[in-house]
Amino acid sequence: DTAVSQTPKYLVTQMGNDKSIKCEQNLGHDTMYWYKQDSKKFLKIMFSYNNKELIINETVPNRFSPKSPDKAHLNLHINSLELGDSAVYFCASSQGSYTGELFFGEGSRLTVL
Amino acid sequence: GENVEQHPSTLSVQEGDSAVIKCTYSDSASNYFPWYKQELGKGPQLIIDIRSNVGEKKDQRIAVTLNKTAKHFSLHITETQPEDSAVYFCAASIGDNDMRFGAGTRLTVKP
Repeated sequence: DTAVSQTPKYLVTQMGNDKSIKCEQNLGHDTMYWYKQDSKKFLKIMFSYNNKELIINETVPNRFSPKSPDKAHLNLHINSLELGDSAVYFCASSQGSYTGELFFGEGSRLTVL
Repeated sequence: GENVEQHPSTLSVQEGDSAVIKCTYSDSASNYFPWYKQELGKGPQLIIDIRSNVGEKKDQRIAVTLNKTAKHFSLHITETQPEDSAVYFCAASIGDNDMRFGAGTRLTVKP
């Protein structure tokens, strides 16, 4: 009965490949996010969607493309993977935006070789 | 935009001692200050939060204090237990569209 679930949990791939990470929330929230956590544990916002509309798009390379087919799903597609993309990617959701609790998924560890 | 600094980056205490983690923020318009705990292999989880109209909030062994004039807020954990060992993040948000996390504090509680 996971609130925010993301798949896959682990992803190992070669440079230059394209990969996707999926996220689903069953909390009925209208805002979803993607965060990147680097090896030093720093959490950086990448994207925020509210009711399927892009709200926040930080300075992320355009190789990263989020897609929200409905307000319960926010997927992350990454083209032409680079070594520096290796990180843990967290999906999160909240009711409203940054005025209340964020519910995070368990993370997807991406390793680019 | 908002900038949040967090100290210390690592903290080691004996079981039963108190732990204090401090954060400062740059934008005086920030009005919401959550604290998240991240255990190994898991996503961050909210443990306590405070809004700008309150100076202190307590929940059992954890408390948060906010000094709006000085633009800093702190997390206090009393009677620490080994299961408190984790990475703790502070954050500050201004309204709906901007929240920044601190760099995290790795807390180790030694039995």
